[in-house]
Formats: sequence, C-alpha cells, structure tokens
Amino acid sequence: EAGVVQSPRYKIIEKKQPVAFWCNPISGHNTLYWYRQNLGQGPELLIRYENEEAVDDSQLPKDRFSAERLKGVDSTLKIQPAELGDSAVYLCASSFSGRAPEQFFGPGTRLTVL
Amino acid sequence: AQKVTQAQTEISVVEKEDVTLDCVYETRDTTYYLFWYKQPPSGELVFLIRRNSFDEQNEISGRYSWNFQKSTSSFNFTITASQVVDSAVYFCALSEARVGGSRLTFGEGTQLTVNP
Repeated sequence: EAGVVQSPRYKIIEKKQPVAFWCNPISGHNTLYWYRQNLGQGPELLIRYENEEAVDDSQLPKDRFSAERLKGVDSTLKIQPAELGDSAVYLCASSFSGRAPEQFFGPGTRLTVL
Repeated sequence: AQKVTQAQTEISVVEKEDVTLDCVYETRDTTYYLFWYKQPPSGELVFLIRRNSFDEQNEISGRYSWNFQKSTSSFNFTITASQVVDSAVYFCALSEARVGGSRLTFGEGTQLTVNP
C-alpha cells in the first residue's frame, strides 16, 4: 500500500513570494491533515479535512494561508505571501475515520524563506 | 485544552540498554487516544503505538512496551535492548476520541541517541 505522498520535498523562496505544497493521501483515507513543524518542536495542526470539507482550520493563518481539497482526495496548501517565520516543515497526514484513529504522515516539505 | 509534556529533551544510552521515555498529558475529554510516533533523521513521522483511554491494559510488542496510567495521566514508552537504529526523536501525542478524526496534540519530543 502506497503511503502519503508530498511534493516538493524541499523549497527555498524569497520572502513575499508565493509557495504551494501538494499532498496525496493513502488511498481510501477520507480525513486529511496539514501540520506545521518548527525546528525542535512537535507538529501543530493547521487544517483538517473530512472528505472535501474543512472541519478544523482554527490554527490556519487565513490572511496568508489557504488550502483546498477538491474531490476529497489530494490537497494543496498555499502561502501567499511567505514570511521569514513560515520557514518550517509542512507535514501532510491521512486517516480512515471509520477504522482507526492513527494518522499516517508523509515525508514533509521543508520550506526555507530567505 | 489538551497538553502533552515530555520532560526529557535528550536521552543518550549505550546499545542493549533499556530506555524509558516519559509522557504526561492533560485533557478534559473523557475518552481519548494516546500515541507514540518516531521521527528518524529522514524526517518522516512513523506511527508506533496507540492506546485508548478506556483500556489501561499495558502491552508488549517486540522490544516495545508501554505503561498507561490514567490516575497519573502518564503514558510512558520503553524500548528494551536498544539498538543504534532506534536513534530518533520520539513524540507522544494525544487526540480526542471522536468519529471522523481529530487533531493530534504533540509533545516537544525526546531525542534518543543510542551509541554503539
């Protein structure tokens, strides 16, 4: 069974530039999560989708961050414009709500904002 | 609000030693899940174990074992006969038990180094 796929793995941009991350969850997983992990810390949730619906986005900085999950499968997280403080690893995870609560994570995208 | 505390920032052991990682949590939920994840240098978070709040039976799985004590809000994780490949950051996490999934609240992580 293929795991969670994320791209790109690394991204370096200048501040004020836009950036987008893509995630394809494990096949059949209806719940998708985006987390941000700052250096030396545990991940923190940005947004959670159940199918196409964003059901928990209270931690998403909506002035510059946006996300979408069209058709309830893959998802894109966008930052526009990026700030220096956005440098972090962006992790995508998925789970199947009808079976078990554990979330399975992708390899992450390491973003560096210069 | 939920909170997870991992008081041990770094642990260093010699191969074949047993090592216990501590985790203390806070939650107002009556039912919840507790997890341990491993993050090796490659960066990918790997799911290790999950316990339900309504099941305090402690288990052993290979070299891994865990001690869940609801009375002290602790969920400690032990690796027996540690190996160099166990070197990683280990995260304890907590989520509400609800249908449809729930956010994970992570601790700060414990960096485990196993020396040959």
